[in-house]
Amino acid sequence: GAGVSQSPSNKVTEKGKDVELRCDPISGHTALYWYRQSLGQGLEFLIYFQGNSAPDKSGLPSDRFSAERTGGSVSTLTIQRTQQEDSAVYLCASSYKFDYEQYFGPGTRLTVT
Amino acid sequence: AQSVTQLDSHVSVSEGTPVLLRCNYSSSYSPSLFWYVQHPNKGLQLLLKYTSAATLVKGINGFEAEFKKSETSFHLTKPSAHMSDAAEYFCVVTGSNDYKLSFGAGTTVTVRA
Repeated sequence: GAGVSQSPSNKVTEKGKDVELRCDPISGHTALYWYRQSLGQGLEFLIYFQGNSAPDKSGLPSDRFSAERTGGSVSTLTIQRTQQEDSAVYLCASSYKFDYEQYFGPGTRLTVT
Repeated sequence: AQSVTQLDSHVSVSEGTPVLLRCNYSSSYSPSLFWYVQHPNKGLQLLLKYTSAATLVKGINGFEAEFKKSETSFHLTKPSAHMSDAAEYFCVVTGSNDYKLSFGAGTTVTVRA
């Protein structure tokens, strides 16, 4: 079946612009996660959704970052007023329930110029 | 708090020889431990996981790992490397909440013909 998909695969934006990154989880997966992979910080947890609620936003690096999930399915990660340090690969994962195996998407490579 | 340390940032092996990737963990609780692999421009794929059952865990593609509580280690091995094993490997631990994955820095594996 279809895996986790993310769009766009690559995004180049100018400093100060807003960007939206999309994640389509595996159908039927109730839990969804966002991670960030950057050269300096490695792989970091950003946020966890259970259904449409986000009980854990502890990894969001600043208030410029926000995320939502609608219909218990698609999620959007929004970065406002992008900075060069936001350049990274943003990974989305989903799992059947919160303590089940997480399946990762291919990521969105964000470059802020 | 939980964390993992991958002891080698880069491992180079000849095709057909054994592979050993070393990982030490730190956790306040009985941990769940994982190894993920990331091929270039691909998403993370779960190789294997330990969740307090058998200490020797077998995964996909001939990989296995042994959980050693006394040494706080979870090393990944494969008896015979294949060219397709060239990738980056991440050792991962979960905390008490069982969903927030904490990643090691990664080990890049190169396989020589």
